[in-house]
Amino acid sequence: GAGVSQSPRYKVAKRGQDVALRCDPISGHVSLFWYQQALGQGPEFLTYFQNEAQLDKSGLPSDRFFAERPEGSVSTLKIQRTQQEDSAVYLCASSSTGEGSYNEQFFGPGTRLTVL
Amino acid sequence: EDQVTQSPEALRLQEGESSSLNCSYTVSGLRGLFWYRQDPGKGPEFLFTLYSAGEEKEKERLKATLTKKESFLHITAPKPEDSATYLCAVRSHTGANSKLTFGKGITLSVRP
Repeated sequence: GAGVSQSPRYKVAKRGQDVALRCDPISGHVSLFWYQQALGQGPEFLTYFQNEAQLDKSGLPSDRFFAERPEGSVSTLKIQRTQQEDSAVYLCASSSTGEGSYNEQFFGPGTRLTVL
Repeated sequence: EDQVTQSPEALRLQEGESSSLNCSYTVSGLRGLFWYRQDPGKGPEFLFTLYSAGEEKEKERLKATLTKKESFLHITAPKPEDSATYLCAVRSHTGANSKLTFGKGITLSVRP
């Protein structure tokens, strides 16, 4: 596809359930980012991959959050034992080059997670 | 720690009424200042990247400028379709990371 795609677009989970959010970056893009966007706020960084290597996970709010990109393309963000404070839009972005680049990041439409 | 502050939080304009959106930032070595547009229910859409003070970029009714402490997004003769949230973000030299630090955004409404 031409852009970054994410699925599902909407997810409703009961508190305590595990969820998995998928991101398909632009084909050939080396870098992949996950951001969390609360209502009325700007996106906040969660984690960063260069190919399959997770180079930074400093933004993950707790050990319930886990991300992977095993083959250097598709990425999955997993949240275990969801809590109400996890409700947010989760955005994925990709960039054509790796560390040290100045290139812009292209964002997907996001997954809106609601935890009841 | 990188910080980005955008003002005002919201702006309502009449169609054709030009104005500017402000983005103030503090970073440890700027590796790019980015402007994005975000429509409701959608992801941010890339508009501009500025790298050094004095740089300017234009696209249709939008013009972005950069100084050492702030960036402005100037909107000339806006139309209702320019209504959206405009996000400013910075990337710094610190750390082995390409992450963006965003401001909270400015919600622009343009009335016909």
